[in-house]
Amino acid sequence: AQTVTQSQPEMSVQEAETVTLSCTYDTSESDYYLFWYKQPPSRQMILVIRQEAYKQQNATENRFSVNFQKAAKSFSLKISDSQLGDAAMYFCAYGGLIQGAQKLVFGQGTRLTINP
Amino acid sequence: KAGVTQTPRYLIKTRGQQVTLSCSPISGHRSVSWYQQTPGQGLQFLFEYFSETQRNKGNFPGRFSGRQFSNSRSEMNVSTLELGDSALYLCASSFGPPGTEAFFGQGTRLTVV
Repeated sequence: AQTVTQSQPEMSVQEAETVTLSCTYDTSESDYYLFWYKQPPSRQMILVIRQEAYKQQNATENRFSVNFQKAAKSFSLKISDSQLGDAAMYFCAYGGLIQGAQKLVFGQGTRLTINP
Repeated sequence: KAGVTQTPRYLIKTRGQQVTLSCSPISGHRSVSWYQQTPGQGLQFLFEYFSETQRNKGNFPGRFSGRQFSNSRSEMNVSTLELGDSALYLCASSFGPPGTEAFFGQGTRLTVV
């Protein structure tokens, strides 16, 4: 079964520094998508970055970038120049064929605190 | 373009009652998925609707049901509410299959007392 593991329940970083959130997943599929979502106290899940498994190039969105290691089934998120507004729960998600249907499976989340 | 809209934002219900939550997807999106989020279980998939048909269902009891209308708006219903149903219910819409993208609403916070 496809699972997503975020081994860091909580992380903290000083404002303006860089932080990396870890995510590993398990799948036997070759085509799939990986996502990082941010959930601030407002509760809305906001898509931060999306990676297609067939693309070797790591996705980047401004200060957010990923390190996608397909063979290792690892998908970490790097946040550069951390800002107070980055404080939130971050969820890693796997999207793809699961038991014959396209589904999205989430990790348990990492709570990121930004220290001023 | 308007985002995913969920109503109501907050609900307080009594055990044994039933509740209906609503989700309006992004214009043009035909797939709507529902998730339950709790501190202990994280985000759990409830079901997905596409073109008024339920395509997928998670491992939830039959008290949880849903439907989708011809305009892609979706509702989920929970009957005979239990204390454990207290959660944030999130709706996500997508143009393609839910595993390829998902845009979420702000959620409905349901409290069962």
